[in-house]
Amino acid sequence: DQQVKQNSPSLSVQEGRISILNCDYTNSMFDYFLWYKKYPAEGPTFLISISSIKDKNEDGRFTVFLNKSAKHLSLHIVPSQPGDSAVYFCAARAEPNTDKLIFGTGTRLQVFP
Amino acid sequence: GAVVSQHPSRVICKSGTSVKIECRSLDFQATTMFWYRQFPKQSLMLMATSNEGSKATYEQGVEKDKFLINHASLTLSTLTVTSAHPEDSSFYICSARDLRGAGTDTQYFGPGTRLTVL
Repeated sequence: DQQVKQNSPSLSVQEGRISILNCDYTNSMFDYFLWYKKYPAEGPTFLISISSIKDKNEDGRFTVFLNKSAKHLSLHIVPSQPGDSAVYFCAARAEPNTDKLIFGTGTRLQVFP
Repeated sequence: GAVVSQHPSRVICKSGTSVKIECRSLDFQATTMFWYRQFPKQSLMLMATSNEGSKATYEQGVEKDKFLINHASLTLSTLTVTSAHPEDSSFYICSARDLRGAGTDTQYFGPGTRLTVL
């Protein structure tokens, strides 16, 4: 069973507008969530994270929102830039105090001029 | 920034042969490395946790004897797919945790290895 789900395989957004990438999870015990960005032929790179004790974390153009009751998180990118075009993975820490991650299937974001 | 390399990036082999994939942390030391596998249109699935100087910890359903992991130094972990079969064809990716890091954020991923077994 997929414990972390990204139901949108792709998203296309115009430059300057907001990109919203969504992620759902099934295990209410997950306590830490991360977003990774992946360019072709490269490994995923860490983007932003959020602890379950928070509902929002912001870093520049990137903001992650967490809705624990809905078991849903989202990544907002504003304004979107062509260089943001990549595959974005949502991940949850599998167990507290470990580095084990459970990943979603990814969403391919394309930002066009 | 921290760099993790993998070699080879792509390998094609015949069924029944063994394939070794290397994962190196280039500018930091890693006591812990992770091996993932990704099938097409699926998520990265953790296969095992590689600990320097000790045995790897495998996830449920991953065959220890088929996927041999060796973490001989603080900068190198190897994954050997033994007696590979076509169903082992996948994208294998490693990550390394920076020894100086305090949390999950400090995992750095390699670029991955595409294995195709004929």
